[in-house]
Amino acid sequence: GEDVEQSLFLSVREGDSSVINCTYTDSSSTYLYWYKQEPGAGLQLLTYIFSNMDMKQDQRLTVLLNKKDKHLSLRIADTQTGDSAIYFCAERSGGSYIPTFGRGTSLIVHP
Amino acid sequence: KAGVTQTPRYLIKTRGQQVTLSCSPISGHRSVSWYQQTPGQGLQFLFEYFSETQRNKGNFPGRFSGRQFSNSRSEMNVSTLELGDSALYLCASSKTSGGAPNEQFFGPGTRLTVL
Repeated sequence: GEDVEQSLFLSVREGDSSVINCTYTDSSSTYLYWYKQEPGAGLQLLTYIFSNMDMKQDQRLTVLLNKKDKHLSLRIADTQTGDSAIYFCAERSGGSYIPTFGRGTSLIVHP
Repeated sequence: KAGVTQTPRYLIKTRGQQVTLSCSPISGHRSVSWYQQTPGQGLQFLFEYFSETQRNKGNFPGRFSGRQFSNSRSEMNVSTLELGDSALYLCASSKTSGGAPNEQFFGPGTRLTVL
């Protein structure tokens, strides 16, 4: 079945850029998206990209998609302590209403 | 407008018991999806209800069931609880079934602990 892989942890210094990577296996993925989960909270959609796009920028967030390698990344510029959270990559193919999530990357931002 | 609400937020049960969790979607939303989040398995889709009908179902045993009421509120039930059912249960609501990601909103979750 479909699979989405992410590294488990990322530690960055405040003010640096963070890059969280994700790989997926389903070549028919239509939507690829990034969620943020803070402690004790549900998932908050940060951004999403259609599979026919290469890049999407939204303020401090930049999403890059390499369809050939099935690789998705989320770059957070000028990372702040408030960005500390778990970030989930997810994909959904056009024929399915059910997203497949990665295990999440725990981003730790230290001063 | 109010977001997705889930009750209770925390629950402790013992093995063999059953539990019912509730989710109230955003006003006007008719689709409610349920997910189980565990450290070992990550986020897994349980089922989706739209207009009181189950539309999609994940790969979970029959002990996990759900329903949706005419006001779109949804409940999920887990019978004969096992230790492995300890998880954060998230629900998400959207106006339509299978819409774009930015149309789906998650609640804060119910943390279930099975002892």
